[in-house]
Amino acid sequence: QVQLVESGGGLVKPGGSLRLSCAASGFTFSDYYMSWIRQAPGKGLEWVSYISSSGSTIYYADSVKGRFTISRDNAKNSLYLQMNSLRAEDTAVYYCARDNTDMDVWGKGTTVTVSS
Amino acid sequence: QSALTQPASVSGSPGQSITISCTGTSSDVGGYNYVSWYQQHPGKAPKLMIYDVSKRPSGVSNRFSGSKSGNTASLTISGLQAEDEADYYCSSYTSSSTLVFGTGTKVTVL
Repeated sequence: QVQLVESGGGLVKPGGSLRLSCAASGFTFSDYYMSWIRQAPGKGLEWVSYISSSGSTIYYADSVKGRFTISRDNAKNSLYLQMNSLRAEDTAVYYCARDNTDMDVWGKGTTVTVSS
Repeated sequence: QSALTQPASVSGSPGQSITISCTGTSSDVGGYNYVSWYQQHPGKAPKLMIYDVSKRPSGVSNRFSGSKSGNTASLTISGLQAEDEADYYCSSYTSSSTLVFGTGTKVTVL
């Protein structure tokens, strides 16, 4: 079945780095744009970044621009989010989603906690 | 990019209809027919309920419907049921080629 599974979350100190991964299965990964979306504790959804099917087009939210890098490996059916210079306000559940301008498939999320 | 504006909460009795609004600008909601709605139960991932303003994905109940007028999109839930109690978020494509979510609405079934 169509599935997305995130991994790589954890506890990191302010200023640290973390790399999230999202493994896709059940569909032709290379045909789809993909997005990262996050949700801080008790807060709403925030779109973070998307990447086109080939990886040639990438956009970021202003809140992460210059610190986060989205990438994909279509041969491995995997999406990544490299997060650098992490701040307390980056603490959230991070979801990957299949992006058709709507997000029709979501993973269960991975939790990132930025704290000293 | 500012979040789209939604009411913090909406409530209704079983069987009633409720409508959730999502207000943006001509640079997002008003400018594109790429408005989506998501349902999120506590501790769960969001689920797509409406896409392209008014289209329903396969498997979503026809009690859910979407519409748009100007810079405001709306989600209507008819025949409200207990399982509809959840948080609902709208989203829109923007003129900056980014995506923006709404502030979220908690739906309570009385």
